[in-house]
Amino acid sequence: EAQVTQNPRYLITVTGKKLTVTCSQNMNHEYMSWYRQDPGLGLRQIYYSMNVEVTDKGDVPEGYKVSRKEKRNFPLILESPSPNQTSLYFCASSLRRSAEGNEQFFGPGTRLTVL
Amino acid sequence: KQEVTQIPAALSVPEGENLVLNCSFTDSAIYNLQWFRQDPGKGLTSLLLIQSSQREQTSGRLNASLDKSSGRSTLYIAASQPGDSATYLCAVLYNAGNMLTFGGGTRLMVKP
Repeated sequence: EAQVTQNPRYLITVTGKKLTVTCSQNMNHEYMSWYRQDPGLGLRQIYYSMNVEVTDKGDVPEGYKVSRKEKRNFPLILESPSPNQTSLYFCASSLRRSAEGNEQFFGPGTRLTVL
Repeated sequence: KQEVTQIPAALSVPEGENLVLNCSFTDSAIYNLQWFRQDPGKGLTSLLLIQSSQREQTSGRLNASLDKSSGRSTLYIAASQPGDSATYLCAVLYNAGNMLTFGGGTRLMVKP
């Protein structure tokens, strides 16, 4: 089944304790990205990657890191999590963009709470 | 900066009713527009993708239209069912970073 998977689905941690949220897709997509969803603010892009070893900042990159060493994986790293990073996180992927863009597929989400 | 607005924010209808959800965007230079469904605590399910050169897309009871010149899209749901209850999000792609700009969503409840 074609899908985007994220792990863990739920995570409660404490301020300053490094964590990684994994994202993997099995559709051979070039584009991958991370969004966070917050009440009243909607979905906002954190980082994106156009292909292996190519990453760039989205709208709200502060406090996050990413890497793209393999095409299928795009982990999100919080080096020193803070309470304002408590949010619902989504990974998304799509094929390399045609002239008009391709459909984006989203993972099931990771609910992160930072105490 | 692109802004995407969805009206209404919430909608409650009786089962069987046809309904229209609205999405507007400020910058008409978009690559595409995508409609999603989100169930409480769940991920986003892609419903329809409309390329900038297209006027509408259909999937089952869903029909989405796009009018770039006026900055509007509508999602039409025919013969609504309780299982359609969810939040519907529209998102536009307008920049090179493949970033979708999302509207705030319309929370739909279909009552039996």
